[in-house]
Amino acid sequence: DAKTTQPPSMDCAEGRAANLPCNHSTISGNEYVYWYRQIHSQGPQYIIHGLKNNETNEMASLIITEDRKSSTLILPHATLRDTAVYYCIVRVGPGANSKLTFGKGITLSVRP
Amino acid sequence: DAGITQSPRHKVTETGTPVTLRCHQTENHRYMYWYRQDPGHGLRLIHYSYGVKDTDKGEVSDGYSVSRSKTEDFLLTLESATSSQTSVYFCAISESEGLTDTQYFGPGTRLTVL
Repeated sequence: DAKTTQPPSMDCAEGRAANLPCNHSTISGNEYVYWYRQIHSQGPQYIIHGLKNNETNEMASLIITEDRKSSTLILPHATLRDTAVYYCIVRVGPGANSKLTFGKGITLSVRP
Repeated sequence: DAGITQSPRHKVTETGTPVTLRCHQTENHRYMYWYRQDPGHGLRLIHYSYGVKDTDKGEVSDGYSVSRSKTEDFLLTLESATSSQTSVYFCAISESEGLTDTQYFGPGTRLTVL
């Protein structure tokens, strides 16, 4: 599976957009980009995923560059409850062998 | 939230004792997974199941066994617990095996082996 690189931490002000970057320069054509987050002591929570088009759901937007070597997760109006570790995962499948490999993620701190 | 429960939520045990962790789902999903999470390692897959009585090993399966006799239950057993198995254990479920299937995680079990 392709590896991902994320900065260790970032912060943003409550109510502002949080833009979380991820590099995946070795991604191949059949690999999807997934984002999960983990709020302290809880299980990881699925956020969004995409292949090459930008995606949006009720939680966030995912912007994938045209060459697919990097992506950005956007939380449009961050709240204190969005403080968490965010994991960018590149996943190849299919099948249950298409496991999720969690790296160290990026710690997002939302300040009042 | 996906209907996933884990029991117990916390357990302290002694080295050499057997331990069984239970994952229960109400979503009727086919796939179930056990992960462990340790500082500096992220989440690592222990075992997974792709149907009743169908299981396979993940990347850190040594010292663990699993069983799935019903769709809704996936059991993780430590036959003889060791201190290196002190960890937080997460169960996950997914509906399909496709590239876009999403895994939903349970609340976790914190296990301490003394």
